Amino acid sequence: SQQGEEDPQALSIQEGENATMNCSYKTSINNLQWYRQNSGRGLVHLILIRSNEREKHSGRLRVTLDTSKKSSSLLITASRAADTASYFCATPQGGSEKLVFGKGTKLTVNP
Amino acid sequence: SQTIHQWPATLVQPVGSPLSLECTVEGTSNPNLYWYRQAAGRGLQLLFYSVGIGQISSEVPQNLSASRPQDRQFILSSKKLLLSDSGFYLCAWSTGLAPYGEQFFGPGTRLTVL
Repeated sequence: SQQGEEDPQALSIQEGENATMNCSYKTSINNLQWYRQNSGRGLVHLILIRSNEREKHSGRLRVTLDTSKKSSSLLITASRAADTASYFCATPQGGSEKLVFGKGTKLTVNP
Repeated sequence: SQTIHQWPATLVQPVGSPLSLECTVEGTSNPNLYWYRQAAGRGLQLLFYSVGIGQISSEVPQNLSASRPQDRQFILSSKKLLLSDSGFYLCAWSTGLAPYGEQFFGPGTRLTVL
């Protein structure tokens, strides 16, 4: 079953705007990860946030985690056309090495 | 540095034909290895994972099988393909060290069964 569920399913914005994607999950986690997938390519790991962290930054990416609400958000600031991709959240299943992925948010950044 | 290879990149096969997809990892030892399938516009479904040579765990009952003949080689097979086996197949590896962190993905194989 899906652990993480992203929202929205699709997002279209103009270059320079910020993009926010949300992820909800169901069970306790020790970390949550965000991945990016360009069309027809493999996934690339973007950022990992641990359960004892509330916010993490990496370049133009900002991730927040609210364990009380079982939710996370990914913010991409000053978006570029090259940010066009699908973004997935993933959580370890039952503390194991297996990850459970959501269905993803398809982001389109228009030049 | 570590790299992960998958081949072929694309494959078109008739229904009932056999399948063999290969994945190899370089630059690391004793990785955890994973096979995922991604249907069009969907998330990833974990098919198999392996924590060591000859150790395979199946996540979803199906007509696919996996093998790990060497430490850094993971093979996905089928004796007879079904139409429903079409999809994008991704191999991934992780260090296998707790607390479990990120996975690193290969470029994928696009399989079309006709």
